[in-house]
Parts: sequence; C-alpha cells; structure tokens
Amino acid sequence: DAGVIQSPRHEVTEMGQEVTLRCKPISGHNSLFWYRQTMMRGLELLIYFNNNVPIDDSGMPEDRFSAKMPNASFSTLKIQPSEPRDSAVYFCASSFDFFRSPLHFGNGTRLTVT
Amino acid sequence: SQQGEEDPQALSIQEGENATMNCSYKTSINNLQWYRQNSGRGLVHLILIRSNEREKHSGRLRVTLDTSKKSSSLLITASRAADTASYFCATAPYYGGSQGNLIFGKGTKLSVKP
Repeated sequence: DAGVIQSPRHEVTEMGQEVTLRCKPISGHNSLFWYRQTMMRGLELLIYFNNNVPIDDSGMPEDRFSAKMPNASFSTLKIQPSEPRDSAVYFCASSFDFFRSPLHFGNGTRLTVT
Repeated sequence: SQQGEEDPQALSIQEGENATMNCSYKTSINNLQWYRQNSGRGLVHLILIRSNEREKHSGRLRVTLDTSKKSSSLLITASRAADTASYFCATAPYYGGSQGNLIFGKGTKLSVKP
C-alpha cells in the first residue's frame, strides 16, 4: 500500500499563474478530501468527493479554485489565477468509508506564490 | 467556528515522561479522532473514540472522553524522541454526516527531548 500520493511536493509560482495539484488516493478508497493548512487558519477542508462525485465544495475560497475527480484513482485541485494569499500546504486525504473510516493523508504540496 | 481546541498549544518534556494533551469542543459529537503530524508530513490517524465510549487504548496511547464536559485527553506514556510531532483532535458532529464534516483543532506541538 503506497498511501496517498501527491505531486508535486513543492511548487513555487508567480502571481497570476495557473497551478495544478495532483492526488492519487489509496486504491479501494471511495472518498477523497482536499485540505489546506496554514499557520493562521489551521487545517481547512476545501472540497470532498464520494465515489468521484463532489459532495460539498463550500470550503473552496473563491471561483479561482476548482477540483475534479475524473476517476477513482486521480484528482486535481487547480488555482487559476494564483495569488500570494494562496500560499499554504495543500493536503489530499482518502478514506475507505465515507462515514466512519479514518482519513489517510498524503504528504502535501507546499505552494508558494510570489 | 472552531470546534476542537487543543490545550496546551505547545508541550516540551523529557524522554520517558508522560505527555497529556487535551481537547475541548462545543457541540455534541458522534466521535472524536486524534491525529499526529510529523514535520513536513501529512496527518496520521491515531485513534477514534465514539461518543458512547469513555476510554480507549492503543499501545502507549490512552484516550479518554468526557461528553458531559465536552472534552477529551490524549495520554502518551513513556514518551520517546520519535513522538515529537503535532497532535490534532478532530470532531465528527452528532447529527451524523460524513468524514467531510470533521472539524480539526489547531493542534498541540509536542517536543520530546532525548
């Protein structure tokens, strides 16, 4: 079991550029979650999917953020255009059961927008 | 609003000592989960305690839950340098929902000195 795989691990980009973060959940897990972590706000849930369907995206801060899950083994989080305040660590997590199973987190993507 | 609040924010102890971290929450819960985060890594699930349980053990970890006081504690016995990490509590609301309704606290940073 390789765990949740996120890429890239680090991303440095200039304001206004498009950023795409990628996530491969654990095989067999049917739920996927995108979180953002900053010192100021802690861990914030952005969006989550169940069986590839977005369930709640109310945590997505603005229309500049979008997420897709085209199949059970891949998801992307896109920021277009990026801004310095988007700088944070973005985590993807998956779980076997939407209701009770623990979350398994990837090691995150550290995004820096200059 | 913040649901889980950990206390203390930071804790420094010597190897071999016990470490106790507390979590308080505001509204009724279905379960409470503890996670550990090592520096530069994603969160790792440690233990889940349901609202009808009072105590749970896992190796050197002991979790208690007092629903009347809306609080939980995580005890790590005989701590090791490798326990150095941030510890988060996460609460799942009573009304059910899913892991997408988990609310994370801001964490306790534990430092275990050899």
